[in-house]
Amino acid sequence: DAKTTQPPSMDCAEGRAANLPCNHSTISGNEYVYWYRQIHSQGPQYIIHGLKNNETNEMASLIITEDRKSSTLILPHATLRDTAVYYCIVRVALLYSGGGADGLTFGKGTHLIIQP
Amino acid sequence: DGGITQSPKYLFRKEGQNVTLSCEQNLNHDAMYWYRQDPGQGLRLIYYSQIVNDFQKGDIAEGYSVSREKKESFPLTVTSAQKNPTAFYLCASSIERDRGVSNQPQHFGDGTRLSIL
Repeated sequence: DAKTTQPPSMDCAEGRAANLPCNHSTISGNEYVYWYRQIHSQGPQYIIHGLKNNETNEMASLIITEDRKSSTLILPHATLRDTAVYYCIVRVALLYSGGGADGLTFGKGTHLIIQP
Repeated sequence: DGGITQSPKYLFRKEGQNVTLSCEQNLNHDAMYWYRQDPGQGLRLIYYSQIVNDFQKGDIAEGYSVSREKKESFPLTVTSAQKNPTAFYLCASSIERDRGVSNQPQHFGDGTRLSIL
């Protein structure tokens, strides 16, 4: 799985959009970009994922650059409950993983702090 | 509600003892996973299972064992051979690959925090 780079921490004012960047310059054509978040002492929560096109769901939007070397997770109206560590993960689609561990590789993520 | 249940939330173990962490899911997922998380760190894969009665070692399987006798359950035993067992343990599940949905996310439980007395 390709390596990702995220800033260790970010602040955002409550009610504003939170934009979390992720670099994945070595991403290959069959690798998806996944975003999870982890609120303190809880299990990670799936947010969104995508391959090439931008994606949106009830939680967030995912913007992937045309060359796929970076992406941005957007929380449109951040609330205090969005304070968490956000993980950007790149991994091969399961059908192409061809053996080896199928688990997700979590780095240290970005600690997003929403300020009141 | 469908989801993943881990129990207990907090667990204490004496040195030299084995201890088993429970993970149950009612999502009808075929694949299940165990991860370990140390303070300030990301997750590391211990074991995973893609189907009943089958499981594979992850990156840090030494000192751990698992079983998968039922689709819904994937218990993890931390044995006395695990020299540094104090950590936050997370269980996850996902739809299996052979249904043709190759990119489905993993869903996590709320974890068990294991400490050594």
